Amino acid sequence: EDQVTQSPEALRLQEGESSSLNCSYTVSGLRGLFWYRQDPGKGPEFLFTLYSAGEEKEKERLKATLTKKESFLHITAPKPEDSATYLCAVTDSNYQLIWGAGTKLIIKP
Amino acid sequence: NAGVTQTPKFQVLKTGQSMTLQCAQDMNHNSMYWYRQDPGMGLRLIYYSASEGTTDKGEVPNGYNVSRLNKREFSLRLESAAPSQTSVYFCASSRQQNEKLFFGSGTQLSVL
Repeated sequence: EDQVTQSPEALRLQEGESSSLNCSYTVSGLRGLFWYRQDPGKGPEFLFTLYSAGEEKEKERLKATLTKKESFLHITAPKPEDSATYLCAVTDSNYQLIWGAGTKLIIKP
Repeated sequence: NAGVTQTPKFQVLKTGQSMTLQCAQDMNHNSMYWYRQDPGMGLRLIYYSASEGTTDKGEVPNGYNVSRLNKREFSLRLESAAPSQTSVYFCASSRQQNEKLFFGSGTQLSVL
């Protein structure tokens, strides 16, 4: 069965403390892996798409990487405004999108 | 730029009542989606429309119906609301399947 697992469920960091969020997946025929950010009371907002192992994408303090089994969202020197829930989703060979439950990131000043 | 617009933002229903959630996008996207989001769970797809004129069931379609009214609008109807349908509902759109989704701001629905 296709599955996406995100870890940890929640992560508390001090401002400036770098870390990584994990998204592991088992899916038949990966067509793409997506990262979204969701602020409280709002809809998810697109961050990155990765299509093949070894691919990397960067945006400000965020960098997403992809292997054949997992993706990492690295956050470098985070600021309080980076606090949000980060969602991972993968598209399988039938173009079905499967979502992880998310990682809630809290950055303390 | 409006993007994806959902109405209403909040709704309280009694068990057995019906209602329709409205969604419109102004990006000329082909595909539209309805999701529900519950605490501790990932987004779950209710129904989707890959293109104008087509609709398909997602992971949790029971108790819901949809209408792709035109390319811009995709509505979700609860015919007889149940407490298990208490959730946050999101509409989303994408240019094509397997492309990034643009989400509305959500509808908080409570069924008493």
